[in-house]
Amino acid sequence: AQSVTQPDIHITVSEGASLELRCNYSYGATPYLFWYVQSPGQGLQLLLKYFSGDTLVQGIKGFEAEFKRSQSSFNLRKPSVHWSDAAEYFCAVGANTGNQFYFGTGTSLTVIP
Amino acid sequence: DVKVTQSSRYLVKRTGEKVFLECVQDMDHENMFWYRQDPGLGLRLIYFSYDVKMKEKGDIPEGYSVSREKKERFSLILESASTNQTSMYLCASIAFSGQPQHFGDGTRLSIL
Repeated sequence: AQSVTQPDIHITVSEGASLELRCNYSYGATPYLFWYVQSPGQGLQLLLKYFSGDTLVQGIKGFEAEFKRSQSSFNLRKPSVHWSDAAEYFCAVGANTGNQFYFGTGTSLTVIP
Repeated sequence: DVKVTQSSRYLVKRTGEKVFLECVQDMDHENMFWYRQDPGLGLRLIYFSYDVKMKEKGDIPEGYSVSREKKERFSLILESASTNQTSMYLCASIAFSGQPQHFGDGTRLSIL
């Protein structure tokens, strides 16, 4: 069965520090992978996506993610966090047949000055 | 840019009422989705639709129904609202498999 695991419910980092949010997935074929960000009271905004090719993908707001097939992971990274990055982050797998997505339960990021 | 619009940002209703949540997308997408989001549970799929008048149950369809009379509009209906349906509801659309889902801003629904 398809599933997405985000092992960290909540992470706190200092402004300017580096960030890595973890995502592991279970899917029978090569998945489509996505990271979304949700600010309080808002919908989900796409940060980046992986379909195929280069396993390191760049997104908006200075984020990047690396697809590691051997580890079934798609971790999100940012070299220097800004206070405005405080939000909820969701990893998702898109099925390559049909159109359903499978979402992780999210990681809440707090940024301290 | 894809625009998904949910008719209400905040809604307060009473137990037993019939509640309609509306969602409109402007990109001629075939597929539309309704999720509910609760703390610690992430997004859970309620219903989705892959064409006009077509619908499929998601993971938690009980207590909900949907309507898709026109391609751009997908409505979620709470037949008889209950307090355990208090939640954030998110609508999304997608062009085709492999593309990202595009989300509305959500409707925060409170059932009193």
